[in-house]
Amino acid sequence: SQQGEEDPQALSIQEGENATMNCSYKTSINNLQWYRQNSGRGLVHLILIRSNEREKHSGRLRVTLDTSKKSSSLLITASRAADTASYFCAFRRDYGQNFVFGPGTRLSVLP
Amino acid sequence: DTAVSQTPKYLVTQMGNDKSIKCEQNLGHDTMYWYKQDSKKFLKIMFSYNNKELIINETVPNRFSPKSPDKAHLNLHINSLELGDSAVYFCASGLGLRNTEAFFGQGTRLTVV
Repeated sequence: SQQGEEDPQALSIQEGENATMNCSYKTSINNLQWYRQNSGRGLVHLILIRSNEREKHSGRLRVTLDTSKKSSSLLITASRAADTASYFCAFRRDYGQNFVFGPGTRLSVLP
Repeated sequence: DTAVSQTPKYLVTQMGNDKSIKCEQNLGHDTMYWYKQDSKKFLKIMFSYNNKELIINETVPNRFSPKSPDKAHLNLHINSLELGDSAVYFCASGLGLRNTEAFFGQGTRLTVV
């Protein structure tokens, strides 16, 4: 069974707006990562946040992590049509453990 | 210059056949993975290899057999294909088993008819 959940499952916004996606998990984690998947393509790593970090930025991306709530959020500011993709959170519990992926949020940015 | 490459990209085959998917990475990574993505986009780990040794083998039918001839390659052989094996299979690689990102191939869309 999936050990991660994301919401919303789908999100549709206008270009220029911000998009926020949330991820929740059930176990303690070592780190949490966000990936993007364009239609028909592989996953591309966006950002990694460690369990002792609370916030991280990369360009227009901002990721937060709340380990007490076992949740993370990905904010994409000033969205563009090219941001249209599915976004997945993934986390690793301990050394040697595999990545567990959430079910993803499908983002559509309308021009 | 492709970092993680899989072949073939598309594979259509009949039930009962045996097929292989190849994966190669030129990133110098020591860890490679196979993931299965179903029609609902759920990604599930199948296997993880570190330095050619099997680290993780999730609950996968033993019709699936990974083979790692060297650190740069992790091939997936599937025997007696079933309809339920239809999915997109992703190969990925990373450095070590701890706090690193994974680099994914473009995927192989397997359709069993």
